[in-house]
Amino acid sequence: DQQVKQNSPSLSVQEGRISILNCDYTNSMFDYFLWYKKYPAEGPTFLISISSIKDKNEDGRFTVFLNKSAKHLSLHIVPSQPGDSAVYFCAASAPFGNQGGKLIFGQGTELSVKP
Amino acid sequence: KAGVTQTPRYLIKTRGQQVTLSCSPISGHRSVSWYQQTPGQGLQFLFEYFSETQRNKGNFPGRFSGRQFSNSRSEMNVSTLELGDSALYLCASSLLPSMNEELFFGSGTQLSVL
Repeated sequence: DQQVKQNSPSLSVQEGRISILNCDYTNSMFDYFLWYKKYPAEGPTFLISISSIKDKNEDGRFTVFLNKSAKHLSLHIVPSQPGDSAVYFCAASAPFGNQGGKLIFGQGTELSVKP
Repeated sequence: KAGVTQTPRYLIKTRGQQVTLSCSPISGHRSVSWYQQTPGQGLQFLFEYFSETQRNKGNFPGRFSGRQFSNSRSEMNVSTLELGDSALYLCASSLLPSMNEELFFGSGTQLSVL
């Protein structure tokens, strides 16, 4: 039962354009969402997060949007740079006591930014 | 300061064997989590330890076990290996449990089961 889904295994974007990575979830108890970035041969690193009380969070070139009614979130990268090429994981957590705050990850989307 | 260290980086085993993976968290971090990464499945939560106690467990069979020592170092063990256990096993540490924005991952142990 995949509670967090990233339906696009890969995405290719031209340098300077916008990258949009999507994520859907099924568990309405999730109240915190995060994006992690992973380069080959390295562990994932935290990128940006959003609480369920917000619908948008911005950090430099990265913006995460949350649509609770659709149980959907997206990560926008503007402008995309070749160094952004990596695998991006969406993750969600529920309040402690409901799956205990552990992170549930999606399958990942491999972003390739072409110069 | 040093990051999360996982050993070994690569491991090849045969079906039926057992394996032990090691994780040294960032100095001062007391919470350690383990994840399994496979193509198409993403990262799946195995378990979380804090102060030598298992605080949380994912949906994996009992062949997967772990422990944490008093110095916060952690090990995970997989017994009676199956082909499907081939994966990248990632360890992550944080100061306290569920500090997900402050979760630091190691580079992982790539396990191949033949």
